Amino acid sequence: QSALTQPPSVSGSPGQSVTISCTGTSSDIGSYKRVSWYQQSPGTAPKLMIYEVTNRPSGVPDRFSGSKSGITASLTISGLQAEDEADYYCSSFTTSNTYVFGSGTRVTVL
Amino acid sequence: EVQLVESGGGLVKPGGSLRLSCAASGFTFNRYDFSWVRQAPGKGLEWVSSIDTRGAYIYYADSVRGRFTMSRDNARDSLYLEMNSLRVEDTATYYCTRGTWFDPWGQGTLVTVSS
Repeated sequence: QSALTQPPSVSGSPGQSVTISCTGTSSDIGSYKRVSWYQQSPGTAPKLMIYEVTNRPSGVPDRFSGSKSGITASLTISGLQAEDEADYYCSSFTTSNTYVFGSGTRVTVL
Repeated sequence: EVQLVESGGGLVKPGGSLRLSCAASGFTFNRYDFSWVRQAPGKGLEWVSSIDTRGAYIYYADSVRGRFTMSRDNARDSLYLEMNSLRVEDTATYYCTRGTWFDPWGQGTLVTVSS
């Protein structure tokens, strides 16, 4: 199972919006709503930010939102803040009853 | 407080074995599936294995199938990952994580495979 495809990096100024894409196949993102997103700051464990494509866990700011169309999922950060600078990973369940992660995207706040 | 704490990492030679543990607290352990996810130094996340609530269904990544065995002990609120025939490319921080949505994660335990 190959990793889902994410851009290596995205950047934006404080207050701007950035969108991270996550492209899979018909065997993963295209088949399920079991898509999630994780934030990882240096030296720390990943943190769930979005689950089931669009849902935010309690405590995650509403400037984080998710969507999906076909085999591509997206994470949008609206009103970018300095504390949002981190690595972001998507994940999807697959038709093989396994999971696959994205290659990861570094978000830089200019 | 919901908590997952991994242990058992360390330095091992290629071909060697290691057993990781993950102790859970703060929630009803036997109601959740669990997974192991690893991260090689400076690299991205890689799903390793998942287990259902009773340990009846266990799934593995192709990269570890036949070498790693995931198990759980619901009486001890603990997960395990038995790793055999370790390779240099298995060097990574190994995290345990809960449920369908991988939430929360433990702090991770570092496994280094080197001669």
